[in-house]
Amino acid sequence: GEDVEQSLFLSVREGDSSVINCTYTDSSSTYLYWYKQEPGAGLQLLTYIFSNMDMKQDQRLTVLLNKKDKHLSLRIADTQTGDSAIYFCAERDNTDKLIFGTGTRLQVFP
Amino acid sequence: DTAVSQTPKYLVTQMGNDKSIKCEQNLGHDTMYWYKQDSKKFLKIMFSYNNKELIINETVPNRFSPKSPDKAHLNLHINSLELGDSAVYFCASKPTGPHEQYFGPGTRLTVT
Repeated sequence: GEDVEQSLFLSVREGDSSVINCTYTDSSSTYLYWYKQEPGAGLQLLTYIFSNMDMKQDQRLTVLLNKKDKHLSLRIADTQTGDSAIYFCAERDNTDKLIFGTGTRLQVFP
Repeated sequence: DTAVSQTPKYLVTQMGNDKSIKCEQNLGHDTMYWYKQDSKKFLKIMFSYNNKELIINETVPNRFSPKSPDKAHLNLHINSLELGDSAVYFCASKPTGPHEQYFGPGTRLTVT
């Protein structure tokens, strides 16, 4: 079945770049998403990428997609303490269902 | 405010009880979802409805019954609650087509 994997934790210093990685198994995925979840809150869509794109940039966020390796990454430039949260990647399968990754807890320290 | 809202935000109840969680969206979306997030933050879809019709029904115990009285509402009723039902339940909605899902704030259910 479909599976989406992420590393569980990432710790970075304020001002550095953060890179959160994700691998997925469903080669028919058409859209891939990054969501952010702050403590006690719901999920907020950060960005998404179509499967026919390699890269998408949106202000401090850069998404890279390697479709051959089924690898997705989210780079946050100039990471701030307000970026501390759990980040989920998700793929849309061919039934229009979102399959979420395990989530990466990003901790930003001063 | 245009949003996806859920009530209640917190629900504490005893094993064996029956409870409902409500979800409403005023975004005019056609599709609504219920997700369960467990204590390890793993998020998994439970159900989806499109225009009041059940579209996705994952392998969820039949103690869970979604109900959609209209396309702006999707409620989740849970019978005979068990300890393992403790989790955060998220409602989400989206328009028809390849659009992102908008999530509600979640309902934290604790079964004692």
